[in-house]
Amino acid sequence: GDSVTQMEGPVTLSEEAFLTINCTYTATGYPSLFWYVQYPGEGLQLLLKATKADDKGSNKGFEATYRKETTSFHLEKGSVQVSDSAVYFCALVNNDMRFGAGTRLTVKP
Amino acid sequence: DSGVTQTPKHLITATGQRVTLRCSPRSGDLSVYWYQQSLDQGLQFLIQYYNGEERAKGNILERFSAQQFPDLHSELNLSSLELGDSALYFCASSVGEGRSYNEQFFGPGTRLTVL
Repeated sequence: GDSVTQMEGPVTLSEEAFLTINCTYTATGYPSLFWYVQYPGEGLQLLLKATKADDKGSNKGFEATYRKETTSFHLEKGSVQVSDSAVYFCALVNNDMRFGAGTRLTVKP
Repeated sequence: DSGVTQTPKHLITATGQRVTLRCSPRSGDLSVYWYQQSLDQGLQFLIQYYNGEERAKGNILERFSAQQFPDLHSELNLSSLELGDSALYFCASSVGEGRSYNEQFFGPGTRLTVL
């Protein structure tokens, strides 16, 4: 069945560092791909999405490109802030919605 | 604030008991989804309803059931509770039926503790 694998955390960075969180997927057909963010004590919020190959999703300085050839959707941000500290989930939607295990990011001042 | 409301926020109960979690979707959203988030299993999709009808089933146990009412609110019923059912239960809603192109808006969750 479909599945999502994302890099294990936790990830700890200093403010203004470059962020990459890797995400790869296994799916038949053409899934849509998403990144969700969960701040402490809150539900998940959609961060960005891409619905077809080579689409780039972007929001709040975060970007991810749907790479069908490598079945990947890595999340990147050029300069993280303390307020970016959260858990990030990669997800796909095909026949149903599958989430990765989540990566906890802590950004230190 | 996503516009999705869930009650109660916290629930503490004993093994063998039955509980009901409630979700009100965003105004205008017809789909409701239920998810379970636990430390060992991660975030798992349980079930989806669209305009009162079941649309998709994920990893939902037979002890669990859900329904969506005519006013579009949904309830998740968990029975014969076990310690392993302790988790955060999220509800999400979206406008349409198909999941590929519809952003899901998540509620704040209900934390269930089974003692």
